[in-house]
Amino acid sequence: DSGVTQTPKHLITATGQRVTLRCSPRSGDLSVYWYQQSLDQGLQFLIQYYNGEERAKGNILERFSAQQFPDLHSELNLSSLELGDSALYFCASSVATGGGRKNIQYFGAGTRLSVL
Amino acid sequence: GESVGLHLPTLSVQEGDNSIINCAYSNSASDYFIWYKQESGKGPQFIIDIRSNMDKRQGQRVTVLLNKTVKHLSLQIAATQPGDSAVYFCAESLEGADGLTFGKGTHLIIQP
Repeated sequence: DSGVTQTPKHLITATGQRVTLRCSPRSGDLSVYWYQQSLDQGLQFLIQYYNGEERAKGNILERFSAQQFPDLHSELNLSSLELGDSALYFCASSVATGGGRKNIQYFGAGTRLSVL
Repeated sequence: GESVGLHLPTLSVQEGDNSIINCAYSNSASDYFIWYKQESGKGPQFIIDIRSNMDKRQGQRVTVLLNKTVKHLSLQIAATQPGDSAVYFCAESLEGADGLTFGKGTHLIIQP
């Protein structure tokens, strides 16, 4: 168990809808990262928050947004969903920011999103 | 953009043998590399990492080798066990940057 908690485990919805994925980081971790894992694109970095502020952006669509709350949990919002958004969404957390060996990312078990 | 890739999508080894999983990276500026293991239904699990100023690092039953000349990374697993069955990903980043760039993954299958 990595200590990173993601809910829900599974989510089934329809095209055009909006969903929210939730992540609670490991105790003491200030950074939260979101990744998307699909069969054709592999694991792709979406966005990172550090202590409530957006820190880095990857391949995140404009239809997607995230935030990190004062208690450090994070939510990833996916809107106007398309069939191609079906994927596993992972949250990871780390102690701080800046990458490297002092800031290893630990992953949750993921949320499987199915858009029908 | 540049990306990390893997040579073999599937590797089948006998239980007890050593496994070697390879990874090629294309961004010569990358200076930090990580191996993750992902079991079915779970998230990626950190195995071992290495900085670009090293060419070898050992952990418990695992060794990571880095060859910067040919931009190649490998993960060696000694005495492979059934519990080693998983997909293995290499990832790279720049020291100071936060997002990881992952390779496609290699599925390691252990034969009894």
